[in-house]
Amino acid sequence: DVVMTQSPLSLSVTLGQPASISCRSSHNLLYSDGSTYLNWFHQRPGQSPRRLIYRASIRDYGVPDRFSGSGSGTDFTLKINRMEAEDVGVYYCMQGIHWPWTFGQGTRVEIK
Amino acid sequence: EVQLVESGGRMVQPGGSLRLSCVVSGFRFRNYWMSWVRQAPGKGLEWVANIGGEGGERYYVDSMEGRFTVSRDNAKNSLYLEMNSLRPEDTAVYYCARSADKGSVDYWGQGTLVTVSS
Repeated sequence: DVVMTQSPLSLSVTLGQPASISCRSSHNLLYSDGSTYLNWFHQRPGQSPRRLIYRASIRDYGVPDRFSGSGSGTDFTLKINRMEAEDVGVYYCMQGIHWPWTFGQGTRVEIK
Repeated sequence: EVQLVESGGRMVQPGGSLRLSCVVSGFRFRNYWMSWVRQAPGKGLEWVANIGGEGGERYYVDSMEGRFTVSRDNAKNSLYLEMNSLRPEDTAVYYCARSADKGSVDYWGQGTLVTVSS
C-alpha cells in the first residue's frame, strides 16, 4: 500500500500566523493523464472530514483562499496563510491514485 | 443540497454481522462512484471500499475483502455495507462519501458508529 507520511503530527499556531503541513508519499502520485491525485481534508472535533484541496492544488468551492496546496510527485504541502480559530482540528492528506486509497496519519492543529 | 445520511450502526458481538445504509439526496446518485471510509475512536481515517455508479466495479481494502460487501440500489438512492465476521478492531465510525472527481471524495455523511464488543 502507498504510505502517506505527514509532518509535523501536531502544530500549535498563533492566530494570524502562517502554518504549513508536509505530506510525503511512498509512490509517485502523478497519473498518466497529467493530474496528481493528492487531496487535503480538514476534520473538526466531532465532525465529518471536509475536503479542502484536490488534485494537489485546487481549492474546493467555499474554502477560504488562506488555504493553499502545492507539490508534485511525492512531496506536498498544505499552507494556511493566516491562522483563524475555525482552522483548529486535524488535517489529513490522502492519495487517490493507487488502490487502496490511503490517508496520512493526520496533523493536529491547535491555537497557541 | 447534497446530503448523505448513514444508519445501521450499533453494538454487535465479535463474529456478528451488520448492514449499514447510506441514503443520499441532492444529486443523481447513479452517476457517482461511492465510498465507505472508517475511523476508529481517536484514530485516523481508513478506506474501506469503493463502488462504481452501476455497482459493477467494487474495490475493497485487503483486510476487509471477503468479510465486507459494498452494494447499492440506485432506485432507492442508497448505498450499503454488509459486514460479517466482525472483529473488535472493526469498531469505528463508518462514513459514506461521494466521489465527484477521480481519486477523491467530496461530500461525506455524518457517520454511524459500529462497536464490536462482547
